[in-house]
Amino acid sequence: DTEVTQTPKHLVMGMTNKKSLKCEQHMGHRAMYWYKQKAKKPPELMFVYSYEKLSINESVPSRFSPECPNSSLLNLHLHALQPEDSALYLCASSRVSPSTYNEQFFGPGTRLTVL
Amino acid sequence: ILNVEQSPQSLHVQEGDSTNFTCSFPSSNFYALHWYRWETAKSPEALFVMTLNGDEKKKGRISATLNTKEGYSYLYIKGSQPEDSATYLCASFGGANNLFFGTGTRLTVIP
Repeated sequence: DTEVTQTPKHLVMGMTNKKSLKCEQHMGHRAMYWYKQKAKKPPELMFVYSYEKLSINESVPSRFSPECPNSSLLNLHLHALQPEDSALYLCASSRVSPSTYNEQFFGPGTRLTVL
Repeated sequence: ILNVEQSPQSLHVQEGDSTNFTCSFPSSNFYALHWYRWETAKSPEALFVMTLNGDEKKKGRISATLNTKEGYSYLYIKGSQPEDSATYLCASFGGANNLFFGTGTRLTVIP
């Protein structure tokens, strides 16, 4: 199984809602990542988990809260988002961290719209 | 933050034509250069991870070269097929586990 799955595929939420994005991989990878991609822009790293511990937080606002319950699962909890947070959220994993020499395996993304 | 640039932004080629596009990245403190292929509505898929100056990698009809001294990489597709239509992303590894992506080259192969 070389697949990274993400749910849901699409999410529409209001600014007062609380929702979560989920990501799962069963490749035994020990590093997992959240990226954000706005239209016509490159994906930007948000968080990195290495061996289930948060190793990088790229100055992301606290309304985004990551969680890594185990080595296969990665969540992104969303609360009090702003319309400008609407974007494609990509999850990725790699065999180890850092992934200098290791390719990252990406999920298909969750398309988030904040109203 | 690493400034990674790709050109052209988009490209249309006829089936059977060969094509290439460019990724430019800062040459100082270079670690690695990743290439990904991203078909619409699918997941980005890794093509190559390149680290050594002068490196050349090949996967089927797709190949890539790397020049770390001048800070560029070329991706070549030989005999383009409609299934090659996708966005091709490059990313430079910036240390501290951060990949800095370009905006991609969107390739359309016309049957």
